[in-house]
Amino acid sequence: QKEVEQNSGPLSVPEGAIASLNCTYSDRGSQSFFWYRQYSGKSPELIMFIYSNGDKEDGRFTAQLNKASQYVSLLIRDSQPSDSATYLCAVQGGKLIFGQGTELSVKP
Amino acid sequence: ETGVTQTPRHLVMGMTNKKSLKCEQHLGHNAMYWYKQSAKKPLELMFVYNFKEQTENNSVPSRFSPECPNSSHLFLHLHTLQPEDSALYLCASSLGASGRSSYNEQFFGPGTRLTVL
Repeated sequence: QKEVEQNSGPLSVPEGAIASLNCTYSDRGSQSFFWYRQYSGKSPELIMFIYSNGDKEDGRFTAQLNKASQYVSLLIRDSQPSDSATYLCAVQGGKLIFGQGTELSVKP
Repeated sequence: ETGVTQTPRHLVMGMTNKKSLKCEQHLGHNAMYWYKQSAKKPLELMFVYNFKEQTENNSVPSRFSPECPNSSHLFLHLHTLQPEDSALYLCASSLGASGRSSYNEQFFGPGTRLTVL
């Protein structure tokens, strides 16, 4: 079992829709959870972090954490073509471990 | 310069060459990291430095040799690499690398695209 698992996609959504990106992790002791966005040919950019169970909202982005289910998700409301990128989930227990990333494509 | 910078941005080298990658952060951070990113694979953590001290070596082959002279600079010295070492090498920094969650929000440089012939 991978330590941090994401569906590689591509996930395709129409412009204006909600994009839902999911991530599961294996280390129950994990404490910190991050979402990075990586445009093609660019480096990862931190967009959200969450430490406590529940939801955290920042603009069009909402991170959701459920430690009991070892599940973290990222919702993007009113998706725009500029949101098209690969989204990396990163989980920190003893060290920070990245998932493979989910490619998101937002179609105009 | 702001953020995290890396040079060179692109590097082509033969298997017998010796080269170095440079990373500099202007964020006042104390922890720096080297990652390798290959196509269709997750980011692989290579090395971690916290307050100039190496705190993690993730079973990296000895042909990769890191150096951290101070908290703002990080180098990755390369020698006798293999074609499978071709990848994007990313440097990142964070406030610290301790157990406190807020220390581990990492900021990445633009990367060095390395090709080994």
